[in-house]
Amino acid sequence: DAKTTQPTSMDCAEGRAANLPCNHSTISGNEYVYWYRQIHSQGPQYIIHGLKNNETNEMAYLIFTEDRKSSTLILPHATLRDTAVYYCIVIGTSYGKLTFGQGTILTVHP
Amino acid sequence: GAGVSQSPSNKVTEKGKDVELRCDPISGHTALYWYRQSLGQGLEFLIYFQGNSAPDKSGLPSDRFSAERTGGSVSTLTIQRTQQEDSAVYLCASSLIVRAGNEQYFGPGTRLTVT
Repeated sequence: DAKTTQPTSMDCAEGRAANLPCNHSTISGNEYVYWYRQIHSQGPQYIIHGLKNNETNEMAYLIFTEDRKSSTLILPHATLRDTAVYYCIVIGTSYGKLTFGQGTILTVHP
Repeated sequence: GAGVSQSPSNKVTEKGKDVELRCDPISGHTALYWYRQSLGQGLEFLIYFQGNSAPDKSGLPSDRFSAERTGGSVSTLTIQRTQQEDSAVYLCASSLIVRAGNEQYFGPGTRLTVT
């Protein structure tokens, strides 16, 4: 599975958009990009995933660069409850095993 | 509907004792995964089940760890002769099928402390 690189930490003001980048320059054509987050003392929570096209759901947007070597998770209107560790994961195996890196600690402040 | 549940939520045990951790996946989910998260460490994959079979056990850290799943539903992770380094949060997840592209839903975890 392709490796990912994320910034260690980011800050965001409440109500503003949080843009979380992920570099996955070695991604191959059949590998998905998944985003999960883990709020303190809770299990990870699925956010969104995509293969190559931009995706959106009620939680977030997932935007790919044209070459798919990087992507950005966008939380359009961050709230204090969005403070968490955000993990970008590339999955290419058939059974969907998740390999978590260190993630990005997002702190949303008032 | 009900999410993934795990029990117990907390377990304190003495070194050398055996422990059993239980996971109830979302109804109808055929795939079940176990992970663990040690203090200050990332999430580490342990094992997955497709139905009742576990095709890949390579993530289990030692032969003291075993897992089973019965009836395609409940799974039990057993740790024999626990050691202090086994202290961690053990997380279970389930997904509709075993395939990349299917999101996994996690339970709240079992916090294991070995004294």
